[in-house]
Amino acid sequence: LAKTTQPISMDSYEGQEVNITCSHNNIATNDYITWYQQFPSQGPRFIIQGYKTKVTNEVASLFIPADRKSSTLSLPRVSLSDTAVYYCLVGGFLFSGGYNKLIFGAGTRLAVHP
Amino acid sequence: SAVISQKPSRDICQRGTSLTIQCQVDSQVTMMFWYRQQPGQSLTLIATANQGSEATYESGFVIDKFPISRPNLTFSTLTVSNMSPEDSSIYLCSVGVRGKYNEQFFGPGTRLTVL
Repeated sequence: LAKTTQPISMDSYEGQEVNITCSHNNIATNDYITWYQQFPSQGPRFIIQGYKTKVTNEVASLFIPADRKSSTLSLPRVSLSDTAVYYCLVGGFLFSGGYNKLIFGAGTRLAVHP
Repeated sequence: SAVISQKPSRDICQRGTSLTIQCQVDSQVTMMFWYRQQPGQSLTLIATANQGSEATYESGFVIDKFPISRPNLTFSTLTVSNMSPEDSSIYLCSVGVRGKYNEQFFGPGTRLTVL
């Protein structure tokens, strides 16, 4: 299973763009890259998922280079409510219909300041 | 999507006792997972519980300590047996849903304190 490495913590200010990079050197061909957000006393929540290139939704963008050995979650104009732990995971459902379980790394603790 | 509820939301137990945590999903799902999250830590996968088969446990977790039931496609239980203070943690269940985003949905967790 691919191991992920992220910064332990990051600080930002309201209105700034935040980029969190995750390395996953051993990612397999069939692995998706998925980011989850977790607030205190809640279960993780899906943010965004991609396989390659760039994916954008109403919450974030995900940039994945051609070699897929890393990915960057981009949060535009963060607010105080974006303070949370962000997890990068590889695995999940396979193109073949199988499933590679999700293993959580340490995550990145993002603190947004006024 | 899937909406997941867990019972109890929290409990305080005495060492040596057992607690069964329930996980209910609002739709039928094949894949369910149980995680543990110790205070300030990341999530650790305990086991995968697919309906119709025995649960598959991760390294460091055994069936005698964490027996799991999966009687149907919407329900599962995790029992924490013969508890010790080291079992104090948040226990979360999740389900895997194959769809546009192939994501896992997580329950709110059960906060367990063992005295």
